[in-house]
Amino acid sequence: KNEVEQSPQNLTAQEGEFITINCSYSVGISALHWLQQHPGGGIVSLFMLSSGKKKHGRLIATINIQEKHSSLHITASHPRDSAVYICAVRRPGGTSYGKLTFGQGTILTVHP
Amino acid sequence: NAGVTQTPKFRVLKTGQSMTLLCAQDMNHEYMYWYRQDPGMGLRLIHYSVGEGTTAKGEVPDGYNVSRLKKQNFLLGLESAAPSQTSVYFCASSPRFEGLGYGYTFGSGTRLTVV
Repeated sequence: KNEVEQSPQNLTAQEGEFITINCSYSVGISALHWLQQHPGGGIVSLFMLSSGKKKHGRLIATINIQEKHSSLHITASHPRDSAVYICAVRRPGGTSYGKLTFGQGTILTVHP
Repeated sequence: NAGVTQTPKFRVLKTGQSMTLLCAQDMNHEYMYWYRQDPGMGLRLIHYSVGEGTTAKGEVPDGYNVSRLKKQNFLLGLESAAPSQTSVYFCASSPRFEGLGYGYTFGSGTRLTVV
């Protein structure tokens, strides 16, 4: 079983819909990242969370440390949100050296 | 803008040729990483560095070498390229402690094809 599991693996939505992508992890972490990758593009860090909730524009990320679960929400989705969204966790401790463990990614397609 | 710069962005190599991928960051990050991304495999760590003059192996180090002679630069070398090394390569950097200044940052990627 992967240490970081995302669901769903594929998600199709109509423009304007509210979208949720989930991430569960089975290890202790110091931080959780949500990453975005457009087709053929680079990887952009959307959020880094260690507790609570963060909001940036139409994007909201939450984390529940006790339940080892995080969600990424997109309000009023738009075709330009179509991308792969990747959850990644950073292990605690000096010997982890900031290495990330990645989920398998969620492919989001938003139709106009 | 501060960030991670990778060069080149695209490259085609013949089997057996060598090349070096360059990565530079201007955020004074201690840690740097090289990942490869393949369809269905996600991101896999090749090598990483925790400071100037240090390197360590990741999950898939075979066929690659790295060097970090200066804190801001992390080089990935392929001594004798093989078709199995066709991939997209991402460099990334991170501070020792996140939450201060710039966090984990990825480069824009290098698309390498070995024929």
